[in-house]
Amino acid sequence: DAGVIQSPRHEVTEMGQEVTLRCKPISGHNSLFWYRQTMMRGLELLIYFNNNVPIDDSGMPEDRFSAKMPNASFSTLKIQPSEPRDSAVYFCASSFGLAGVNEQFFGPGTRLTVL
Amino acid sequence: GDSVTQMEGPVTLSEEAFLTINCTYTATGYPSLFWYVQYPGEGLQLLLKATKADDKGSNKGFEATYRKETTSFHLEKGSVQVSDSAVYFCALVRAGGTSYGKLTFGQGTILTVHP
Repeated sequence: DAGVIQSPRHEVTEMGQEVTLRCKPISGHNSLFWYRQTMMRGLELLIYFNNNVPIDDSGMPEDRFSAKMPNASFSTLKIQPSEPRDSAVYFCASSFGLAGVNEQFFGPGTRLTVL
Repeated sequence: GDSVTQMEGPVTLSEEAFLTINCTYTATGYPSLFWYVQYPGEGLQLLLKATKADDKGSNKGFEATYRKETTSFHLEKGSVQVSDSAVYFCALVRAGGTSYGKLTFGQGTILTVHP
């Protein structure tokens, strides 16, 4: 299996631009998680889906962030408009079932830089 | 709310030294506990886990025992290698309630092992 696939691996954009991060979970997994990692705040869960339905989006920082999972094999995290404080590494992870039962597999991350 | 506290890093050791990374947690009920490892430029990988009190998780020479009486899950390895240099994250997930399936991570501990 190819593992969790994220694209792009690196993104540099200017403040105010729209940014879309993409994730393909491992085939057969039905839970998907979006995390953000920064030096200051560590690893934060933004949102997670189970069977394509958002279960908990309490970690989404504000209305500029949105996430979708239109089908079992694809999810997007969008930031519009982007701001310099959004610069971070964004990870997608997937699991079969919820995190407490089965292992979460992480993608390689997207390093976002907002100038 | 749930929280995980890890010992401050960075930790610097010589090869073959003994490693301990402390982790304590706060959670209601009976969480499952995890150690994840992040190698440079990669996503997190599950290292080991324990799902109930007194369970010992082990993998690749690393061990951690779920101690409910001290709410701890300290990571140990008897003889570290240069290849163990990475960031280590302690995490928990609580079953049930609104947090079900949601991993809560510690802040991470950077380990550097010198030859």
